[in-house]
Amino acid sequence: DIQMTQSPSSLSASVGDRVTITCRASQGIRNYLAWYQQKPGEVPKLLIYAASTLQLGVPSRFSGSGSGTDFTLTISSLQPEDVATYYCQKYDSAPRTFGQGTKVEIK
Amino acid sequence: EVQLVESGGGLVQPGGSLRLSCAASGFTFSSYTMDWVRQAPGKGLEWVSDISSSGSAIYYADSVKGRFTISRDNAKNSLYLRMNSLRAEDTAVYYCARDWGLGNDHWGQGILVTVSS
Repeated sequence: DIQMTQSPSSLSASVGDRVTITCRASQGIRNYLAWYQQKPGEVPKLLIYAASTLQLGVPSRFSGSGSGTDFTLTISSLQPEDVATYYCQKYDSAPRTFGQGTKVEIK
Repeated sequence: EVQLVESGGGLVQPGGSLRLSCAASGFTFSSYTMDWVRQAPGKGLEWVSDISSSGSAIYYADSVKGRFTISRDNAKNSLYLRMNSLRAEDTAVYYCARDWGLGNDHWGQGILVTVSS
């Protein structure tokens, strides 16, 4: 099975900072990758699909890139409401594995 | 408005069984693959199982294969997860989620399953 590895597992940044989270697949998955945001005590929310397409209503400071095995989620200017854990997920085929998550905090 | 409402969770002893249900509304349920995703306390998301729109294609995570059974009733707009031989490590919040082919675009609020003696 394909493994999904995120890094870092956590990060602390200042408001306004550019934040980058990476997700690596152990084998190529083309662009069949989604990113989710889960705020504390809330349900996961789909942010990005097809590696780089923003879901409706997601602020434009979020962006995704990559294809094959290496992917990134970028927050161009971190806001207090972005405090959350972010997960990548492959959906090319089962098992639809999630990464282990990246917890983002404000410094 | 898409709504997914899970039910059937609770406390069960190791080795016991439980059946989760997910009532769907606000969309054409029979047109979508549906997933179960779980989250152990303080841990990350784990994909558990999914079932195609017709029920003809079913997949499971290795961690639950042979113990869990996913099913659906399109006439009742409902998704199910039968969980047998439950273990302590199955303790988690279980989410029902709609799969639109590009990830899970709608999630239920989740239901807690606790496996403990």
